This record gives sequence, C-alpha cells and structure tokens, in this order.
Amino acid sequence: AQKVTQAQTEISVVEKEDVTLDCVYETRDTTYYLFWYKQPPSGELVFLIRRNSFDEQNEISGRYSWNFQKSTSSFNFTITASQVVDSAVYFCALKEGNAGGTSYGKLTFGQGTILTVHP
Amino acid sequence: NAGVTQTPKFQVLKTGQSMTLQCAQDMNHEYMSWYRQDPGMGLRLIHYSVGAGITDQGEVPNGYNVSRSTTEDFPLRLLSAAPSQTSVYFCASSLRTSGYNEQFFGPGTRLTVL
Repeated sequence: AQKVTQAQTEISVVEKEDVTLDCVYETRDTTYYLFWYKQPPSGELVFLIRRNSFDEQNEISGRYSWNFQKSTSSFNFTITASQVVDSAVYFCALKEGNAGGTSYGKLTFGQGTILTVHP
Repeated sequence: NAGVTQTPKFQVLKTGQSMTLQCAQDMNHEYMSWYRQDPGMGLRLIHYSVGAGITDQGEVPNGYNVSRSTTEDFPLRLLSAAPSQTSVYFCASSLRTSGYNEQFFGPGTRLTVL
C-alpha cells in the first residue's frame, strides 16, 4: 500500500528565513506521481507541482524549489526567503501509475505541515 | 468554466440527520472523487467514480453513499450524520486523457455534526 509521511507537523519561521518541508513516500509502483499542494487560511487547495517518478531533476519556481530523490523516497519542498503570505498548510501527495487500470486519480496525502511565517 | 463547484460551503447538522453534499464540474471530466480532511490526517479518499454509473469505495467509505447519474454531478450523501463525520469535504475531478494526473479541487464544504 502507498503511504506519504510529512513528519513535521508545524514549522514556525521568521520572514526571510529559508524553510524546507519534508515528504517521504512509500510505493511499490515503478511509475508514480508526486504532488505538493498549498492550503492557505481561506481553505482552498492550491496546486504547486507535479513530478513523475522518471524525472528526478530538481525544479525551481521563483522562491520555491523541490528536491526529488528516489534513492531516499523523498520529495522535499524548500521556500527561500519566506514571506508572511507563505503561511499555510502544505500537503504532499502520491498517485500511483495506472498501469493496472485501478489507480485512476486516487491520491494519497500526507498529514500536512502547518507553516507559520512571522513578520 | 466554473471548474469544480461545491455546495453548501458550510453546514451544521444534528446527529442522525441526513444531507447531500453537492459537487459539479463543467469540464467533462470522467473521474470525480470525494475526500475528507481532518486535522493531522491529511485528506482521505471516501468514494470515487470513473464515469457515469460507475462508483467505487475509497479509504474511508463508511457512512457515505454516492451515485453518478451524469458526468457533471457527483453528490455525497450522509444518511445518518454522526459527530465523527465533522470534517471538511473536498470534491475533485480529472480527465482520463491526462492520466488522471491533473486534479481539480472544489473549494470545500465545512460540515459540523452536533
């Protein structure tokens, strides 16, 4: 069975600090997809990134960067120079490939990490 | 496109009452699903559907019923609400030709059962 673990329940930083949110996953599939979502205080889920298991290149988007390492089954998310607007709950999620025709769009989410950025 | 819409946004029920959470999408997505979000547990899959007339259970289906009579709508029914069903509910949809890899989430319904 697949599993996603976000061991950091809450993180508190001061503005302009860098912060890394950890995500460790378990799956038996060789094809899978990893996601990060942001949930701001308003409650909606905001898609941040999707990565497939064949692409281990790190990704950078503005102040956000992601480090995918298959060897350690981790997909960590770093915010550089954090801002108050980054305060949110962040979820890591896993979707297995649909080779067997049964995974469809089923996502397995981690527990979430509450990030608070203080001014 | 309205995307994925959910109604109501907030609901308070008494134990034993029934209600239906509505979810609709206008993107002609084959796949639709329901998740519940609880503190410290992330989002967990309740039920999903791969097309009209086809539904299946997710990780936490007990206490919930679904049906899919049209491509657009995927309502979630609570037949006899319990306090343990207090949660935030999200509906999501995706397209088969995207490999179901692009998920669109609705804004959520916050349900409190007293």
